[in-house]
Amino acid sequence: GDSVTQMEGPVTLSEEAFLTINCTYTATGYPSLFWYVQYPGEGLQLLLKATKADDKGSNKGFEATYRKETTSFHLEKGSVQVSDSAVYFCALLSGGGADGLTFGKGTHLIIQP
Amino acid sequence: GAGVSQTPSNKVTEKGKYVELRCDPISGHTALYWYRQSLGQGPEFLIYFQGTGAADDSGLPNDRFFAVRPEGSVSTLKIQRTERGDSAVYLCASSPRGGGYNEQFFGPGTRLTVL
Repeated sequence: GDSVTQMEGPVTLSEEAFLTINCTYTATGYPSLFWYVQYPGEGLQLLLKATKADDKGSNKGFEATYRKETTSFHLEKGSVQVSDSAVYFCALLSGGGADGLTFGKGTHLIIQP
Repeated sequence: GAGVSQTPSNKVTEKGKYVELRCDPISGHTALYWYRQSLGQGPEFLIYFQGTGAADDSGLPNDRFFAVRPEGSVSTLKIQRTERGDSAVYLCASSPRGGGYNEQFFGPGTRLTVL
């Protein structure tokens, strides 16, 4: 079945550091890929998405590129801020007709001033 | 505009009891999803409604779980004979239409604790 694997947390960085959160997936068909973010005390929000190979999703300075050859969708940001502290979830929607998202376990990101 | 709302925000019950969790989707959204998130895990898909009908209930763990959406708007997730393992945050999401190109908007969740 479909699955998403993302790096374990917590990840602790200093402000203005470069961020990478790794995500790899296994899926049937040609999935759409997503990053969701959950800020403290808030619900899940879509951060960015990519629907086909080589697409790059971007939002709020975050980027991720859909790499079919490595089945990856790593999240990157050049300079993180304290306000980026949150839990980040990688997810996919299988191209095999499934309707629900398959999520990774989440990565807790802590940015220190 | 109003987002997805869920009630109650917290529910504590005893093992063996029946519970109902409610979801109000964004107005006009035809697709509605339920997920369950256990501590330290990502959300797990339970069921998907397109309009009034359950289009995909493959994620429901067993027959103690049931969900309805009788008028194509509000949905209720029903859990019979609750067990301690049912303790989790239950998330609802809605989307303008089903399918992979449409963003799912999530509610704040209902935290269920079974004692």
